[in-house]
Amino acid sequence: GAGVSQSPRYKVAKRGQDVALRCDPISGHVSLFWYQQALGQGPEFLTYFQNEAQLDKSGLPSDRFFAERPEGSVSTLKIQRTQQEDSAVYLCASSSGRGKNIQYFGAGTRLSVL
Amino acid sequence: DQQVKQNSPSLSVQEGRISILNCDYTNSMFDYFLWYKKYPAEGPTFLISISSIKDKNEDGRFTVFLNKSAKHLSLHIVPSQPGDSAVYFCAASVTQFYFGTGTSLTVIP
Repeated sequence: GAGVSQSPRYKVAKRGQDVALRCDPISGHVSLFWYQQALGQGPEFLTYFQNEAQLDKSGLPSDRFFAERPEGSVSTLKIQRTQQEDSAVYLCASSSGRGKNIQYFGAGTRLSVL
Repeated sequence: DQQVKQNSPSLSVQEGRISILNCDYTNSMFDYFLWYKKYPAEGPTFLISISSIKDKNEDGRFTVFLNKSAKHLSLHIVPSQPGDSAVYFCAASVTQFYFGTGTSLTVIP
């Protein structure tokens, strides 16, 4: 597709359940980013991939969060043993180059943990 | 330890007038700044950017001003249109991007 695609758009999970969020970046984009956006806040950086290499995961809030991009295209953000504080919109963005480039965002996945 | 701040949660402007959205930052190492616009249930959409080597960048009705000494960034929209009603985020970067909390702009017809 023309833009960044994320699925599912909405996810409701029971506390303790594992979830997997998918991101399809713009074709050919080298860089991929995951952000967490809590209600009333701006996006907060979670992790960054350049092709299949995860170059920065400093924003992941705990070891329950794991991201992968095995073939340098589609990426999955996995959250294990979800907690209520994980409820947020998870945004994926991609950009064409390395370093400072415009990031193009998907519509996000809204995760609600009950 | 919010490194990028947007102190006005909301702003209302009459159609045809100027909208000025402000952003302050604390990290003097930031060297690239962007503004994004966000409609409900959509992801942020890139609007305009500026490098720290410039103090102004213009694109149609949108102009971004950068005052490095004050660590201040502003977005001017002239003339404002009802379709500009959205949440606007500023973002700043050294390596990763840091976003402000957003300003909700309402343009009144």
